[in-house]
Amino acid sequence: EPEVTQTPSHQVTQMGQEVILRCVPISNHLYFYWYRQILGQKVEFLVSFYNNEISEKSEIFDDQFSVERPDGSNFTLKIRSTKLEDSAMYFCASSVMGLAFNEQFFGPGTRLTVL
Amino acid sequence: DAKTTQPPSMDCAEGRAANLPCNHSTISGNEYVYWYRQIHSQGPQYIIHGLKNNETNEMASLIITEDRKSSTLILPHATLRDTAVYYCIVRAYSGAGSYQLTFGKGTKLSVIP
Repeated sequence: EPEVTQTPSHQVTQMGQEVILRCVPISNHLYFYWYRQILGQKVEFLVSFYNNEISEKSEIFDDQFSVERPDGSNFTLKIRSTKLEDSAMYFCASSVMGLAFNEQFFGPGTRLTVL
Repeated sequence: DAKTTQPPSMDCAEGRAANLPCNHSTISGNEYVYWYRQIHSQGPQYIIHGLKNNETNEMASLIITEDRKSSTLILPHATLRDTAVYYCIVRAYSGAGSYQLTFGKGTKLSVIP
């Protein structure tokens, strides 16, 4: 069964450093998403992406964040200058289309630790 | 998106049916009801979704009341591996917020041997 994959599983970085989190969505899916979950808190939406454009983003997704589809298979989340409060699990998801009845499938997540 | 209300925790005996309730009294006519679960800190796992009719798949059944103000997720024969946090989510059909899933605190289901 096809699944969303994410690398690395755990990323440790120093405050102020740039990090790139990588995701490989399910191959025939066209919409891609990033969510995050701070330890002990709710899963929060960050951004949705379609046709090389952001279709929706939350207030969390500020200028420090960017997303890219660098090739036909990868989808990345970049944090330019990490802060301590960026420490969280980051989940990538994908769906066939972006309609309300298209379920989103999540990857296993990347645990980001900012020191 | 309409808000949802779920009990914070529930227990279920292994092998029994687990019935997880969700209240979404302010749901709009074109909003879908989704259920996801999260085991430990793994990625949320899609379970089922529906609009008006009851739905069933290999994992669970979704019962939506006629007025659509509440729903119940049924796991017919709970196993220990079903221990997880279960999220009931109402998703807007269009407009602002329609691309995102808005997770609440969910129900922590503990399946007991």
